[in-house]
Amino acid sequence: AIRMTQSPSSLSASTGDRVTITCRASQGISSYLAWYQQKPGKAPKLLIYGASTLQSGVPSRFSGSGSGTDFTLTISCLQSEDFATYYCQQYYSYPLTFGGGTKVEIK
Amino acid sequence: EVQLVESGGGLVQPGGSLRLSCAASGFTFSNYWMTWVRQAPGKGLEWVANIKQDGSEKYYVDSVKGRFTISRDNAENSLYLQMNSLRVEDTAVYYCARRRDGHNAGDYWGQGTLVTVSS
Repeated sequence: AIRMTQSPSSLSASTGDRVTITCRASQGISSYLAWYQQKPGKAPKLLIYGASTLQSGVPSRFSGSGSGTDFTLTISCLQSEDFATYYCQQYYSYPLTFGGGTKVEIK
Repeated sequence: EVQLVESGGGLVQPGGSLRLSCAASGFTFSNYWMTWVRQAPGKGLEWVANIKQDGSEKYYVDSVKGRFTISRDNAENSLYLQMNSLRVEDTAVYYCARRRDGHNAGDYWGQGTLVTVSS
C-alpha cells in the first residue's frame, strides 16, 4: 500500500496567515491526490482533486500543487472558518490511502 | 441537492454482524461509483470499500476483506455495507461518499453512522 505522510501533524496560526501543509507519498502517484477539510463532528469536505483542481464552491484562497511524491496545500490568507483538520488522499492505486491529518489551530 | 444519509449503526458484540445503508438523492445514483470510509474515534480517515456503478467491480481494504461486503441497489438509490465477524477495531464512524466523476475522491459525503463493537 502507498503510505501518505503529512507534515506537520499540527500547527498554530493566526487569521490572515499563509499556511502550507505538505503531503509525501511513499511512491510516485502522478497527480492522483485529493485534499479534504474536516471540522469536529462533521464529514470531510473535498477541497482539491487532481493535486491542483479546486472543487466547485471552494474559496480561491485554497490551492494545491505538486506531482509525483511531493504535494502541498496552501491557504493564502487563513480565515476563522479554516481552523480544521486537513487530510490528503492518494487515488493512484488501491487501497486508497489517507495521510494522518494536519490540525490547524488558532494561535 | 445531493444528499447521502447513512443508517444502521449501533452497538454490536465482537463476532457479530451489522448492515449499514446509505440512501442517496439529488443525483443519478446509477451513474456514480460509491465508497465507504471510516474514522475510528479520535483517529484519521480510512478508506474501506468502493463499488462501480453497476456493481461489477468492488475493492476493499485488506483489513475487511472476507468480512465486509459492499453492494448497491440502483433501483432504490441505496448503498450498503454488510459487516460480519466484527472486531473491536472496526469501531468507527462510517461515512458513505459519492466518488467524483473521473477521480477516485469523495465529492459528497453523508453525515456518518457510528458502529461500536464491544462486549
